[in-house]
Amino acid sequence: DTAVSQTPKYLVTQMGNDKSIKCEQNLGHDTMYWYKQDSKKFLKIMFSYNNKELIINETVPNRFSPKSPDKAHLNLHINSLELGDSAVYFCASSQDAGGRTEAFFGQGTRLTVV
Amino acid sequence: LAKTTQPISMDSYEGQEVNITCSHNNIATNDYITWYQQFPSQGPRFIIQGYKTKVTNEVASLFIPADRKSSTLSLPRVSLSDTAVYYCLVVAQGANNLFFGTGTRLTVIP
Repeated sequence: DTAVSQTPKYLVTQMGNDKSIKCEQNLGHDTMYWYKQDSKKFLKIMFSYNNKELIINETVPNRFSPKSPDKAHLNLHINSLELGDSAVYFCASSQDAGGRTEAFFGQGTRLTVV
Repeated sequence: LAKTTQPISMDSYEGQEVNITCSHNNIATNDYITWYQQFPSQGPRFIIQGYKTKVTNEVASLFIPADRKSSTLSLPRVSLSDTAVYYCLVVAQGANNLFFGTGTRLTVIP
């Protein structure tokens, strides 16, 4: 069983569209994250949720909105997509909000905006 | 937040031991040192974490000197499948996320 799963794995869409990426973890973890990895391979935190509550919201355009319907899910909605949004988006989870616990990452969603 | 500095890239032949050193001069007392590995087209994967001295698991060893201003990830007898990017992170107690630096791209050569 995949611990952290994201769908879709690939997403190609046109500028201006609205899209969602889903993430689910079956590890019983309390904390979930979204990271963005750009073309230069820098991996940056976007959001962090602990028990369905937002605890970190880095400098991310408000076109990006995370939604956590329950502890096991953290979905990422992106409105009015722009070319610069093209990247690989990783979902992750950890047992608690402390960074010292091991984080488990999904396989990534490669978003291409054309 | 302690900044980390590590080599951008390294090459190694199969079967050799590889040591990747990371500098973290302003590490705080409660910070831990953590290493992640990322293969192409995959998410990062936890390798090892330590506070001081030496930690060893089935994958790697982590050496941390007494001043904790640097750490060395040691991969014994690397194989082609160890080709990946290795990230050194300094994680604060109670931190809510992980900050990844540029990482070290290790290429294992046949």
